[in-house]
Amino acid sequence: SQQGEEDPQALSIQEGENATMNCSYKTSINNLQWYRQNSGRGLVHLILIRSNEREKHSGRLRVTLDTSKKSSSLLITASRAADTASYFCAPLTFSGNTPLVFGKGTRLSVIA
Amino acid sequence: DTEVTQTPKHLVMGMTNKKSLKCEQHMGHRAMYWYKQKAKKPPELMFVYSYEKLSINESVPSRFSPECPNSSLLNLHLHALQPEDSALYLCASSQGVMVGGPRPTGELFFGEGSRLTVL
Repeated sequence: SQQGEEDPQALSIQEGENATMNCSYKTSINNLQWYRQNSGRGLVHLILIRSNEREKHSGRLRVTLDTSKKSSSLLITASRAADTASYFCAPLTFSGNTPLVFGKGTRLSVIA
Repeated sequence: DTEVTQTPKHLVMGMTNKKSLKCEQHMGHRAMYWYKQKAKKPPELMFVYSYEKLSINESVPSRFSPECPNSSLLNLHLHALQPEDSALYLCASSQGVMVGGPRPTGELFFGEGSRLTVL
């Protein structure tokens, strides 16, 4: 699979504000996944958007996908200190047991 | 049960030691993965097992030796490691390709990692 490129690399916001992070990729995909990683812990799957979907919601998370621009965005609304983590996007193209490849991620700091 | 369990959580070893990291899942997943993660870097893929067979080795040095004794277990045997091998080692699993069934989404389930320090 291909690596996504997250932007910005670091983001610092106040609690209650919205956080938006972006992901770009190079070739066509079957789906795109977002993961969260708290410091020193394992990655946690947040949300998956399929290539035929344009927007998806899960709680305070909103993901969009624009396949024409090969980009996705993750919006976290009403952020909390507990949202402080690194966020990774992972574009996936089906090919057997295709492993996910992770980019550098966005390090989000939510200040109480 | 949607957990991937990794043991030990922390491991300190000398360069001449032999140790193993263990990973277990009971979700019926047929693909299992080892990733290595250095501080402030993304996880890097090391190995993929599919149906208990090694399908991907990302040119990992032979001092790392993976083993998949059955569909629920994945081991990483460590021998003659270097201090630069100190990292967080993450195990993950996914459904893998299912013959005759719906294509899985490729979602990975990660363990909490084993923090390895090589002295």
